[in-house]
Amino acid sequence: DTAVSQTPKYLVTQMGNDKSIKCEQNLGHDTMYWYKQDSKKFLKIMFSYNNKELIINETVPNRFSPKSPDKAHLNLHINSLELGDSAVYFCASSQDFRDSSAGELFFGEGSRLTVL
Amino acid sequence: AQTVTQSQPEMSVQEAETVTLSCTYDTSESNYYLFWYKQPPSRQMILVIRQEAYKQQNATENRFSVNFQKAAKSFSLKISDSQLGDTAMYFCAFGDFGNEKLTFGTGTRLTIIP
Repeated sequence: DTAVSQTPKYLVTQMGNDKSIKCEQNLGHDTMYWYKQDSKKFLKIMFSYNNKELIINETVPNRFSPKSPDKAHLNLHINSLELGDSAVYFCASSQDFRDSSAGELFFGEGSRLTVL
Repeated sequence: AQTVTQSQPEMSVQEAETVTLSCTYDTSESNYYLFWYKQPPSRQMILVIRQEAYKQQNATENRFSVNFQKAAKSFSLKISDSQLGDTAMYFCAFGDFGNEKLTFGTGTRLTIIP
């Protein structure tokens, strides 16, 4: 059973298009995230949601819009794609950080976005 | 803001040898978590080991152990009896209570040579 699953795993598209990446977790976690990994492998948080509420928005262009219909899902929609958006996007989840056993992130397999 | 520094972009070691990856961090928090994640060529991020800052004892998971020096803000990962399957990018990460995110270092690419 996949704990954090994201689709699609690969996405190739033209500049200017709009695309979405979906993420689902079956771990019962309260918090979900989107991280971006650039070509140099640097991982940087984009957004986090706790129980469907936006908690973190790390100065991401407003072309990126996350949506959390329920606490098990966090989707990422990107408008007007640019070349610099090419990266691997990771979805992750965790228990509430205030829980003493929390802190660990469970990652999806990543979605490689290539903008041509 | 917290920062995490991994000063070794690449390392290589012979199979069965021991290797240590370094990580330092900067924070004003007293209670936090530290993690090592592994990213093999398959791209999946996998937790290797975690350490709670309030615990003095260094965490150990089979061949993986850490040397946590809180005063020095250092958190190195030791891999003993290295195996070919250990070849991967290794990321050190910092997380604190109440700030619901992890901050990652830039990673160390580790290659195990047969």
